[in-house]
Amino acid sequence: GAVVSQHPSRVICKSGTSVKIECRSLDFQATTMFWYRQFPKQSLMLMATSNEGSKATYEQGVEKDKFLINHASLTLSTLTVTSAHPEDSSFYICSARDLIGGKYGYTFGSGTRLTVV
Amino acid sequence: LAKTTQPISMDSYEGQEVNITCSHNNIATNDYITWYQQFPSQGPRFIIQGYKTKVTNEVASLFIPADRKSSTLSLPRVSLSDTAVYYCLVVLTGANNLFFGTGTRLTVIP
Repeated sequence: GAVVSQHPSRVICKSGTSVKIECRSLDFQATTMFWYRQFPKQSLMLMATSNEGSKATYEQGVEKDKFLINHASLTLSTLTVTSAHPEDSSFYICSARDLIGGKYGYTFGSGTRLTVV
Repeated sequence: LAKTTQPISMDSYEGQEVNITCSHNNIATNDYITWYQQFPSQGPRFIIQGYKTKVTNEVASLFIPADRKSSTLSLPRVSLSDTAVYYCLVVLTGANNLFFGTGTRLTVIP
């Protein structure tokens, strides 16, 4: 089945620095990928939709200048958390959409635990 | 988007069958129902998907009544490793993204 690889699985960074998270579709091409954020004991919140070759679409309340998304190829989307602060500490999860048997399926990466100190 | 409502948490003993019901009163004609499982510090994993009646795979069964306003995920003979959060989603065919509800935290007790 479809596999999405997310890297790194966990990262600790200092406040004020930037962190890049990669999301790769390993065995299929994904023109659309999604980025979620999940705080402890809470559900996944969609942050943005990443479109290959075009600008990402951000959900209301998500700062596009802080969470930079690049989807330069059909298999790779990156999320960069710029000037990270402790409140950005969270679990970030990517997802890619693929078409199987005429139906869309959504495969998720294993997530990235970001801790800003 | 159709909103979903499901119990916040459930406990079950090992070996029992677990049924988690999800309400989606505003489901539209072209929507289908999907369930995901999430373990701590992992991304969600697809379990099962259906449009109406009953769907069964090697992991679970999904029961959807005729009015489609609810659905029930059935996990046969749960084990400790089934402890996870289970999300019910209503997805529009061709939808561009998924919106997650609160999910049901299932705890399997020895």
